[in-house]
Amino acid sequence: DAGITQSPRHKVTETGTPVTLRCHQTENHRYMYWYRQDPGHGLRLIHYSYGVKDTDKGEVSDGYSVSRSKTEDFLLTLESATSSQTSVYFCAISPTGTEGGNTIYFGEGSWLTVV
Amino acid sequence: GQNIDQPTEMTATEGAIVQINCTYQTSGFNGLFWYQQHAGEAPTFLSYNVLDGLEEKGRFSSFLSRSKGYSYLLLKELQMKDSASYLCAVTDSNYQLIWGAGTKLIIKP
Repeated sequence: DAGITQSPRHKVTETGTPVTLRCHQTENHRYMYWYRQDPGHGLRLIHYSYGVKDTDKGEVSDGYSVSRSKTEDFLLTLESATSSQTSVYFCAISPTGTEGGNTIYFGEGSWLTVV
Repeated sequence: GQNIDQPTEMTATEGAIVQINCTYQTSGFNGLFWYQQHAGEAPTFLSYNVLDGLEEKGRFSSFLSRSKGYSYLLLKELQMKDSASYLCAVTDSNYQLIWGAGTKLIIKP
């Protein structure tokens, strides 16, 4: 199994509060991703990183920010949580992105409920 | 826009064969992935197709037709542990992964 750890695994928070999810990898992979997964939708990319301090937006980046100060850690922050951000969040990693069929490996997920 | 279509849910019998279809319309194509996801768990890689044809891997096979924008995942000798969601994902011209909503497969004894 790929060495990916997400924390916290479960969190309930109140509307308007900031929340940070952490993804930690031990594989030294260059690419890291944050996805959200909701019923009836495919996995949707929030942000991704292609190196330390190199990040870019995905298709659903509004309301989220990320930081990557070390190869092994990729943080996702909800600046002011809203109920629409209640979801399961998956971190994923890949050595060289998806070129040439390189697989991306997923963490176990973080269940976030905003009340 | 970019779109991937899969049936929402399928039911099959233990020991039987099931085919899960995936059709896609994307800006460019650089490969198609199938992932398996058990309830409450992370998606895990099953197969990758970039050229037309059938890729076989044990009980699982995946087929691709680029001209038709179509793929299927074939599961043989179904086991109860195959009850899961199966996700189709296409890499577009920018190597971004576009995901289908997944097909929930229910296996009955």
